[in-house]
Amino acid sequence: SAVISQKPSRDICQRGTSLTIQCQVDSQVTMMFWYRQQPGQSLTLIATANQGSEATYESGFVIDKFPISRPNLTFSTLTVSNMSPEDSSIYLCSVEVVPRTEAFFGQGTRLTVV
Amino acid sequence: AQTVTQSQPEMSVQEAETVTLSCTYDTSENNYYLFWYKQPPSRQMILVIRQEAYKQQNATENRFSVNFQKAAKSFSLKISDSQLGDTAMYFCAFTSSGSARQLTFGSGTQLTVLP
Repeated sequence: SAVISQKPSRDICQRGTSLTIQCQVDSQVTMMFWYRQQPGQSLTLIATANQGSEATYESGFVIDKFPISRPNLTFSTLTVSNMSPEDSSIYLCSVEVVPRTEAFFGQGTRLTVV
Repeated sequence: AQTVTQSQPEMSVQEAETVTLSCTYDTSENNYYLFWYKQPPSRQMILVIRQEAYKQQNATENRFSVNFQKAAKSFSLKISDSQLGDTAMYFCAFTSSGSARQLTFGSGTQLTVLP
């Protein structure tokens, strides 16, 4: 299994500012994933972060808006840049634990942009 | 691209009764994994049960079991002896067995267990 610590758990931010969300795992993992969950919706993948390479973004998400860092095998950050109220969502990081092909999730960050 | 469909936005069940949540998916792959995740109000995503597509036997975890119909691309979750703590949003999810291991989620089913 994997224990994931995600910070902050929630924040209220002014529009136009940026917020960086941290994700710390208690073991080394190859792939980390960032998801967005808009109010009352399902989870949508933002990007996949591999250590040592640039993140791979899904359609509709761009690096300028959601820059991601992955400095080592246990840590990643997601920044939500130049925020607008439409960015109000829960953001979750996830890791896959092999060989069980099982994904573990952080507690999520509830972001409200005002 | 893979898609996952949950056609029941909300369901309710009496405590101690049995309920079945539906999920269908679409993929051209032969090897893949299916999951049911539970998200209570705390927001924590919790894995309930997983199924490997190459296994014919349906997965079971205590009160939770699945009915996996590969040909029909159906993956339903049965919760027996429902408990109040089972109240949560339930998501069906899919991942391929290839190198792209991200999860594709269904839209979710809000389950309420009534006392």
